[in-house]
Amino acid sequence: DAGVTQSPTHLIKTRGQQVTLRCSPKSGHDTVSWYQQALGQGPQFIFQYYEEEERQRGNFPDRFSGHQFPNYSSELNVNALLLGDSALYLCASSFRGFVSEAFFGQGTRLTVV
Amino acid sequence: QQQVKQSPQSLIVQKGGISIINCAYENTAFDYFPWYQQFPGKGPALLIAIRPDVSEKKEGRFTISFNKSAKQFSLHIMDSQPGDSATYFCAASMRDSSYKLIFGSGTRLLVRP
Repeated sequence: DAGVTQSPTHLIKTRGQQVTLRCSPKSGHDTVSWYQQALGQGPQFIFQYYEEEERQRGNFPDRFSGHQFPNYSSELNVNALLLGDSALYLCASSFRGFVSEAFFGQGTRLTVV
Repeated sequence: QQQVKQSPQSLIVQKGGISIINCAYENTAFDYFPWYQQFPGKGPALLIAIRPDVSEKKEGRFTISFNKSAKQFSLHIMDSQPGDSATYFCAASMRDSSYKLIFGSGTRLLVRP
């Protein structure tokens, strides 16, 4: 079992650009949640995708959007990147969104310059 | 009311000692309290979790103590080992009505040989 797979591992973007991060959930999981972890901070919930729809959203602007595909994989898109978007972006998969089963990937380190 | 406050920010313990990390919450609707361990370059991994109907849960060297009236919970690592050196996050959730984990700010633990 490969667990949760995220790509790319690292990414450097310029302020104002757009970025797409990808996540493949753990086998048997159908829900993907995205978290942002700034340096030295705990992860913050961005949103969760279930049945190809955004089910719950945290306190993040509309520049952050996502998508879930029929195979349960997911993308996180961030438009008009700001320096403050530099962070580790974590994907967590679970079955039907149960937090008690959340399994995290290794994250994508995004640096905005 | 959605915050989870964690302390200390960093902790140094000698090998064989006891590491204690504390968390406090305000929202009495929280009913699931996990602890995550995160090594550099990795995503958080679930260590141990507790629900408010019990006051203590032990798994190996790791114990969660839960004080519902004080709205506090803590992680105790007995016989701390250098391999326990990592960042620890407490979290909270409303398991049946929310799909997000709310994390504390983390505690960086260093266990000296």
